[in-house]
Parts: sequence; structure tokens; C-alpha cells
Amino acid sequence: EVQLLESGGGLVQPGGSLRLSCAASGFSFSSYAMSWVRQAPGKGLEWVSTISGTDDSTYYADSVKDRFTISRDNSKTTLFLQMNSLRAEDTAVYFCAKSRSGGQAAAVNYWGQGTLVTVSS
Amino acid sequence: DIQMTQSPSSLSASVGDRVTITCRASQGISNYLAWYQQKPGKVPKLLIYAASTLQSGVPSRFSGSGSGTDFTLTISSLQPEDVATYFCQRYNSVPLTFGGGTKVEIK
Repeated sequence: EVQLLESGGGLVQPGGSLRLSCAASGFSFSSYAMSWVRQAPGKGLEWVSTISGTDDSTYYADSVKDRFTISRDNSKTTLFLQMNSLRAEDTAVYFCAKSRSGGQAAAVNYWGQGTLVTVSS
Repeated sequence: DIQMTQSPSSLSASVGDRVTITCRASQGISNYLAWYQQKPGKVPKLLIYAASTLQSGVPSRFSGSGSGTDFTLTISSLQPEDVATYFCQRYNSVPLTFGGGTKVEIK
């Protein structure tokens, strides 16, 4: 059974940093692209970032480029999102998401339960 | 960037009704289109990928069609458990844009 368990969310001041983690199990982690998708309170889904399962290429939404860094540790089957220079508009539930294939051009077939990030003074 | 426009933003229909949701891409995306269902307070769930392929375990009353720029999600006979918000997403290239969502309620 595929399981994705996020952690690391919380309250942070504007300009601060957080590191999200997603512990994955139940599938061959290194073979699949993994993503972060966020959802602001009462809003729709916003793709944040993807890391390929084929060559570890990384991709970012313009709204987070140069502030967020996605990475993965295949030995620990864990996905990370380092978030720096956080802004109020980054407040959202952040979902860890597994793609159907190794490349970035794939739908998400499993989602974690999400972790809430609140950016406020 | 390619934009994804969903319509309507919300709808109310009776149990047993046929419901259709539309997603339009600002440029052609072939069939790189997925549909997700998100029930209130729950995590999104993949319904359809490659525009028309039903994800394993999804009831057959859900179907998808389209290619290029225009896509539809159809619920052939709306059930109470289908109350949710539905999102389309293109995944032909980054950014992997989502549509704004369609909230489906029971009349």
C-alpha cells in the first residue's frame, strides 16, 4: 500500500524558513517523480514543484522559484521541500504527491494527507 | 504559460442526473489531462488520466473525453457520494497547471 506522510509544517514568521518532509513507502520510490502541491485555505490546488524519478531534474512554479528547493533521498525514501523567504501568500496545506511515472509529465496518483504551513507575524 | 479554465465553477443537480464539467486549455495539450475529485475535508483523488483513462477503482459512471484544448468530465448518474470539488490538471509540461475547480452539490 502506498503511503505518503508529510511533516514539518507549522507557524513561521514572514521571511522565515521551514523544511517539509514526506516519508514514502509501498512503492519503488526512486523510480517515480514526486511533487509538492499546495492548497490555500478555501482555495484551489496549486502545483509547487516536481523532482523527476529518472534524472532528479527539478521544476518549480514561478511563485516559488529561487525561494523553495525540492530534493529527495532515495535511500531513505523521503521527499523534501526547503522553503525560504516565506511570505503570507505561501500559507497553505502542502501535499506530497506521487506521479504515475518517472518523468515530470505525469498525473498524480497518490496524495499525502498534507501539512499546514502558516506564515504570519 | 498554458492556462486551464474550468466551467462551471459550481453546479447543483439532482441524484441520477447527468453532469458535465468542462476544462479548456489556452493551448493544445494533446491528451495530457487529468481529473481529480476532492471531497470536503479530504485529499484529492485521481479519477481520470490521459484525458479518458479511468483510474483503477473509480466507478464507471465517471468518464472523460477530449483532446487538444477542450475536455469534459461526465458523471453519467450523479450519486450523493459524488458531492465534491473537481479539478482538471494539464501535465504535458511544467508548470503543471490546475483548473480553478468545479463544486458539485446535490439539489
